[in-house]
Amino acid sequence: AQKITQTQPGMFVQEKEAVTLDCTYDTSDPSYGLFWYKQPSSGEMIFLIYQGSYDQQNATEGRYSLNFQKARKSANLVISASQLGDSAMYFCAMIGDYKLSFGAGTTVTVRA
Amino acid sequence: AAGVIQSPRHLIKEKRETATLKCYPIPRHDTVYWYQQGPGQDPQFLISFYEKMQSDKGSIPDRFSAQQFSDYHSELNMSSLELGDSALYFCASSLPGTGGSSPLHFGNGTRLTVT
Repeated sequence: AQKITQTQPGMFVQEKEAVTLDCTYDTSDPSYGLFWYKQPSSGEMIFLIYQGSYDQQNATEGRYSLNFQKARKSANLVISASQLGDSAMYFCAMIGDYKLSFGAGTTVTVRA
Repeated sequence: AAGVIQSPRHLIKEKRETATLKCYPIPRHDTVYWYQQGPGQDPQFLISFYEKMQSDKGSIPDRFSAQQFSDYHSELNMSSLELGDSALYFCASSLPGTGGSSPLHFGNGTRLTVT
């Protein structure tokens, strides 16, 4: 069974600063994928970034980077240069056995 | 770029009624997933299909059923609706043969309200 843990229910960040969202996971599968999704108040689920369990390098997508520490089973998301439009719920998710499991989510509020 | 299309966007039903939600995956995506997200909760996996066959089943009530058709679109059928079925229902699709290496792309969801 897979388990995703996001321990930060909510965070505030100042505009233009960086913010790190924590995610730890547990799985017995040797092959898995880790994702981060953004869900604005409008409700849609937006894919941000992906990290494969065998990837040697940390994934980056524009202002998003994933700090993947396999031994610690953590996959933290770093958002650099925060913008007001980054205010949303952020979900960490893991795929295994053709099923995506989500963490509880972290609400990020960017302040001007 | 084409995205996952879900219809309807909003649906209001009364208790004990039935509802059908539709999902049109991104072209060439052959795997479809259904998720249910209650207010303030993370999405919960309901069911998935790969090449028109059910591939996995999650916390889907027996009152719900789903299928994937020859054109790869999928429908989630919900009967004997209960107040607790009020939620945002997402459909997602992914590329062929991607057990763990390709992102799921989500539709905008169908917001079901049961009164």
